[in-house]
Amino acid sequence: DSGVTQTPKHLITATGQRVTLRCSPRSGDLSVYWYQQSLDQGLQFLIQYYNGEERAKGNILERFSAQQFPDLHSELNLSSLELGDSALYFCASSATIGVAPKSGSSYNEQFFGPGTRLTVL
Amino acid sequence: GQQLNQSPQSMFIQEGEDVSMNCTSSSIFNTWLWYKQEPGEGPVLLIALYKAGELTSNGRLTAQFGITRKDSFLNISASIPSDVGIYFCAGQKGSQGNLIFGKGTKLSVKP
Repeated sequence: DSGVTQTPKHLITATGQRVTLRCSPRSGDLSVYWYQQSLDQGLQFLIQYYNGEERAKGNILERFSAQQFPDLHSELNLSSLELGDSALYFCASSATIGVAPKSGSSYNEQFFGPGTRLTVL
Repeated sequence: GQQLNQSPQSMFIQEGEDVSMNCTSSSIFNTWLWYKQEPGEGPVLLIALYKAGELTSNGRLTAQFGITRKDSFLNISASIPSDVGIYFCAGQKGSQGNLIFGKGTKLSVKP
């Protein structure tokens, strides 16, 4: 158990609909990342939030949006859903920068939640 | 989006055999990571590498961060049935940055 929770575990909906996926990071983690995993594209980074603010954006469609709330949980909103949006959506969280003991380099480890499987019919 | 070239795509091996998989990139990364994903679960970190040339072990797993910073490999020695899963390499450019993943190596182990 990574300590990251995601709900719901499964979601089945129709094209054109809107859904919200929820993520609760590990206690104390300020960063939340969203990834999409599909069969043809693999794991793709969508967006990152740090302490409530957007930090980085990846291949996130304009139909998708996210936010991180004051209690640090995050929601990913997917609208005008298309068949191709069917995928596993993972949330990951990380703490602030740590120091790798061997190299002394700064790093952050991302812990992944169990994912939400979205099926668009 | 950018992805890493991971090979092989899949492997079918006998229990007890050693396994080797690798990842290459056209660009440099500051961190290389190896994850394992089992059905119905999210990726779980196996090994993290933070320095070019670094060789790190975690039990039967050994991974290396290539000198050029554009590649990494993972070895699993004396495989066992519970090694079954999909192994992903991931690169990270900054210390707080997002991960860029390979497409995964699906490992099947025959008892």
